[in-house]
Amino acid sequence: SQQGEEDPQALSIQEGENATMNCSYKTSINNLQWYRQNSGRGLVHLILIRSNEREKHSGRLRVTLDTSKKSSSLLITASRAADTASYFCATDGGGSNYKLTFGKGTLLTVNP
Amino acid sequence: EPEVTQTPSHQVTQMGQEVILRCVPISNHLYFYWYRQILGQKVEFLVSFYNNEISEKSEIFDDQFSVERPDGSNFTLKIRSTKLEDSAMYFCANRLDGGASNEQFFGPGTRLTVL
Repeated sequence: SQQGEEDPQALSIQEGENATMNCSYKTSINNLQWYRQNSGRGLVHLILIRSNEREKHSGRLRVTLDTSKKSSSLLITASRAADTASYFCATDGGGSNYKLTFGKGTLLTVNP
Repeated sequence: EPEVTQTPSHQVTQMGQEVILRCVPISNHLYFYWYRQILGQKVEFLVSFYNNEISEKSEIFDDQFSVERPDGSNFTLKIRSTKLEDSAMYFCANRLDGGASNEQFFGPGTRLTVL
């Protein structure tokens, strides 16, 4: 699989339920970031987790990172219809440029 | 809250024409990037720019592409002779500095359509 592969590719849930998206990557990282993108729009930064962190919270978001498995998960609790969007993980490999490598994303649909 | 801005929001051009996409990064940020996203696909890195020069570029960033910071504030991406396959959303991003905790902030994107 490619760097930053998310699964599932698509997820449909009811409002109020929790949504969990996973991301796997292949190379070592400086940090891992999650972004949200509404259809055809820009990328909104959600949360960053450094390589030496295992879990991070921000509001209804919870991110975990397992560097031994090279994987991360994003949990959105108590989902709302407004959470409907594509969610991407992006790895920052550090080095001298800190460029991001994105996964293909998970399309989350929250039904009212 | 400071934000990255991009102009235009949508650019339509004929194949072979030159386009310049503009970005105004957050003022005190030091690392600048261009990414693109072809419709329905993932976001791809094009180029990074630091200390007034290109620090890394991808295979996509061939001789038809160039970047510059002409006046110390704007950050531009030029495509000299556009091809149909250049149609995509182009995102400018920037980063404060080299710390491990610094996220990249993205602009809203320019949708480029090459006819």
